[in-house]
Parts: sequence; C-alpha cells; structure tokens
Amino acid sequence: QKEVEQDPGPLSVPEGAIVSLNCTYSNSAFQYFMWYRQYSRKGPELLMYTYSSGNKEDGRFTAQVDKSSKYISLFIRDSQPSDSATYLCAMSSSGGSQGNLIFGKGTKLSVKP
Amino acid sequence: EAEVAQSPRYKITEKSQAVAFWCDPISGHATLYWYRQILGQGPELLVQFQDESVVDDSQLPKDRFSAERLKGVDSTLKIQPAELGDSAMYLCASSPDRISYNEQFFGPGTRLTVL
Repeated sequence: QKEVEQDPGPLSVPEGAIVSLNCTYSNSAFQYFMWYRQYSRKGPELLMYTYSSGNKEDGRFTAQVDKSSKYISLFIRDSQPSDSATYLCAMSSSGGSQGNLIFGKGTKLSVKP
Repeated sequence: EAEVAQSPRYKITEKSQAVAFWCDPISGHATLYWYRQILGQGPELLVQFQDESVVDDSQLPKDRFSAERLKGVDSTLKIQPAELGDSAMYLCASSPDRISYNEQFFGPGTRLTVL
C-alpha cells in the first residue's frame, strides 16, 4: 500500500459544478497537507496548505483534513474551465526540518464549458 | 513575480549519453529540491540542498545521478549514463527558509526523453 492514495480520474464536470477531490493516507505521522495544481507541461503550483485537522478556505477553494480518518479533501466551488488541470495532494510529517513531501498520483480534472 | 527557472525545457537523448539540467531558484531561497515525475505519477524527491549542502539524497541513484549547488544559488543535476527508465519530468523547487519547507515553489520542469 502506498503512503498516499489518490484516484487518478479523469474527472469531468460541467462549468459551475462543485468539485470534490480526495486523498487517503496511511502514515499517521503526517501533519502538513498541501494541494498543488499542475497544468499540462507545467510545474506544480501550491494552492492550499493546512496543518493538522480542520478546514481552510481561500476563495473558491476549501481544503479539509480529517486526521482521524486519514482523509483529506479539496473542494472547488463554481468550477471554471480554467480549473482544468491535474490536482496533486502532498503531505509531510515535519514542518521545520527536512521537506520531504509525499505526493499522490494526481487527479486529472476537466471542466467543460 | 519571482519564479524558479529551469533549462532546457525539453531534452531528447540516446541511452548511455550524459545529460545535465540547470535550475535557478527564486532569489533568496536557501532550500532547493530536485524531483522526478514519471508520467501519471506524483513528483518524487531526488535531492534536497540547504544552501550549498546536501540535506537529503537518499533517493538519488548515485551510480548515475549527481547534483551540485556549488555557490548555494543555482544547481545542476546530471545523469551519466542515461537509461531508458530515466525518461520523466525533472522538476526543481525552492523554499525560502528552514521554517517554510512545506511551501515549495516549482519551476516548469525539464522533460527528458531517453531513446
């Protein structure tokens, strides 16, 4: 079992839909949880960064962490065609020492006009 | 807006040849990372530098890969000899300081194809 599991999709939704992206993990030492967006042929771009359990909102994006279930989610409200990309979850167990991020495989999202 | 620069963007080589990739992190970022991303997978860390020192190279195949950051600024990743299985995207990332290890800023990557 990989440390981080993420459904690769692809996921196709109509414009304006609410999108839910998820990752599960097995390492209970993970405390820092990130979501990156990666457009085709580009490097990943940090979208959301959360510590421990709880919710964090930034515009149309909401990140949720449930450490008891080892489950994290990213919600995108009012999805736009420009949101079409691959979304990668990433996690780490340390905040102030080595920054070894463990990534999921990524979920490819397509938002249709 | 400051960005991580990488070159070349694309590289095609034959197996057994040597290849080198260059990265210039965001100005002032002390920590630099090299990742490899195989198609359909997430990035995997190869090596991490703090200034000019290697912090973690446990996943770097040292028989053929080498990395350096001589002056603590830009960095070079080399593969010699390249193998077919090295075909991947090589990503460079940087973060500001020891406190911000999890906030990594990625460059556009170098896509390597080994024939």
